[in-house]
Amino acid sequence: GQQLNQSPQSMFIQEGEDVSMNCTSSSIFNTWLWYKQDPGEGPVLLIALYKAGELTSNGRLTAQFGITRKDSFLNISASIPSDVGIYFCAGPITNFGNEKLTFGTGTRLTIIP
Amino acid sequence: EPEVTQTPSHQVTQMGQEVILRCVPISNHLYFYWYRQILGQKVEFLVSFYNNEISEKSEIFDDQFSVERPDGSNFTLKIRSTKLEDSAMYFCASGDRSFSGNTIYFGEGSWLTVV
Repeated sequence: GQQLNQSPQSMFIQEGEDVSMNCTSSSIFNTWLWYKQDPGEGPVLLIALYKAGELTSNGRLTAQFGITRKDSFLNISASIPSDVGIYFCAGPITNFGNEKLTFGTGTRLTIIP
Repeated sequence: EPEVTQTPSHQVTQMGQEVILRCVPISNHLYFYWYRQILGQKVEFLVSFYNNEISEKSEIFDDQFSVERPDGSNFTLKIRSTKLEDSAMYFCASGDRSFSGNTIYFGEGSWLTVV
């Protein structure tokens, strides 16, 4: 099946630093989504991308839909403590009109005090 | 903001017991989903449900699993005879179209521990 690989697996940064992570797929997606998961909670949608080459921002977050449609990037500027969590990329897979999300392997972000 | 609510937040059960996880989707949504996440792993699709029937299920969703929308507001996941490997966080999600990422909302999850 289609797999989404994220890198890095984990990041340890200091507050105020910028963060960059990416997600790659062996096959094409027509939509890319970025979710954040806090410990013990469900994924929360951060950014949705619908067009190849699209660059979308949500506050300090910026995500890009790769031109090849096989990758996407998420950047966080000036990180703050509440940015800690696991970031997942996700893409929809459609079978006979039914759609489901496949999630990436996740990038765990830790902020060092 | 509307939200998906799940109960229980945590359940411990003995292997072989039946478990029912409950979800109240957002009221005007028509598409419902269950996902699960084994500790430390990614979120995996289990099943989607629309118009009172399963629209798609993954290979994880075997005969031990079933879903039901018994009363028009609740959406339940039943595991008939739990196995140790069923231990995971189970997320309910709902949406108002067959797919659009910005209209799928996840609940906070039900943590199932099978002992």
